[in-house]
This record gives sequence, structure tokens and C-alpha cells, in this order.
Amino acid sequence: AQKITQTQPGMFVQEKEAVTLDCTYDTSDPSYGLFWYKQPSSGEMIFLIYQGSYDQQNATEGRYSLNFQKARKSANLVISASQLGDSAMYFCAMTGYQKVTFGTGTKLQVIP
Amino acid sequence: DVKVTQSSRYLVKRTGEKVFLECVQDMDHENMFWYRQDPGLGLRLIYFSYDVKMKEKGDIPEGYSVSREKKERFSLILESASTNQTSMYLCASSPTIAGGREETQYFGPGTRLLVL
Repeated sequence: AQKITQTQPGMFVQEKEAVTLDCTYDTSDPSYGLFWYKQPSSGEMIFLIYQGSYDQQNATEGRYSLNFQKARKSANLVISASQLGDSAMYFCAMTGYQKVTFGTGTKLQVIP
Repeated sequence: DVKVTQSSRYLVKRTGEKVFLECVQDMDHENMFWYRQDPGLGLRLIYFSYDVKMKEKGDIPEGYSVSREKKERFSLILESASTNQTSMYLCASSPTIAGGREETQYFGPGTRLLVL
């Protein structure tokens, strides 16, 4: 079985500051993928970033980076220079062999 | 751009009714998924399909069935709707489940179902 844990139900961040959203995972599969998705109030899930379990370097996509610590089984999302449009729900997800699991999400609110 | 569409954004049904939720993707993706999303519970996988006429149970398949007669279309069926099936339903597709970035899922806008 695989499990994703997001322990922060909600967070606030000042505009232009960086913020880290936590994600820990558990799996017995040696090969897996870790994803982050954003869900604005409109409801549509948007892919942000991907990290493979064998990737040596942390993934980056523009202002998003994934702090991957395999030994700790963590895959935290870092958003640099927060913008008002970053206010949304953020979900961490894991894929394994014919499996996919999402976390419960973190609601991020960016304060002007 | 990948486009995933769902037949309705909002739906109101009565207890005991048979409900069909339709999902169509236009990128020739192999895999399609149905989730329900409830506050505090995140997304929970109901069913997925990795090929036409193939289906696999997810974490919460009870009370639901699915149909995939064509590659682009994946239907979720509530045989006899109950009030505890009131939820947001999200459909997604992905190119593959063979691993890697190709497992990225593309989501539809969701259907908010209210069962009275």
C-alpha cells in the first residue's frame, strides 16, 4: 500500500515571500513518481511538478521546486516569490505500479 | 493542450436514481480515472481504466460502476444514488501508467453532484 500525508490543512504566506508545503509518503515500491497539483477555487486540478524516485536532482519548474529527500520520504513543494494567484489548494500525489494516491491537500492563502 | 471534459458542472438527483457522469478526453490517452473529492479527505480513487473495456477498482468502488467502450470516453455510473454520494467528482486522463512523467494526470473541471 502507498500513503501520502499532508499535515498542513492551511497556510498563510505574505506576497513575494517563499513558502514550503509539506508532503511525506510511504510505499514499498522501489520505483514511484511524486507529483504536485494546484486546485484554484474554480475547481480544475493543474499539474505543477514531477519528481521520479530515481531522479538525482530536485525537480524545478519556474517558481516551483520540489525538495526531495528520499531517506526521509518527503517531497515538499517550495514556491518562491508568492503571488496572489498562488492562493489555492495544493495536492501531493504518488504513483506506483498501477496505483495512484493523493494527499488531503493544503490550502494556501497569499496575503497582499 | 490536453482537454478533458465532463458532461455536467452541477447535477441534482434524487435518492435511488441512476446517475451517469460522462468524461471525454481528446489526447488519445491510454488511462482514465474517476475520483471523488470531499473536504478534508482529498481525492479518493473510485475506478480507473488503462485500456478500452478494461477497468480496475480504486480505493472506494462500492456503489459505483464504470464503462469504457471507446478510448476517449469513460463513464461513471451510480446505480442507485444515495445521499452519501453527494460530492465533487473529478475525471482525469494520463498517457500511461508505465512510470515517469508520462503518468501526469490531466483533469476535467469536475461535477458537483447533490443527491437529495
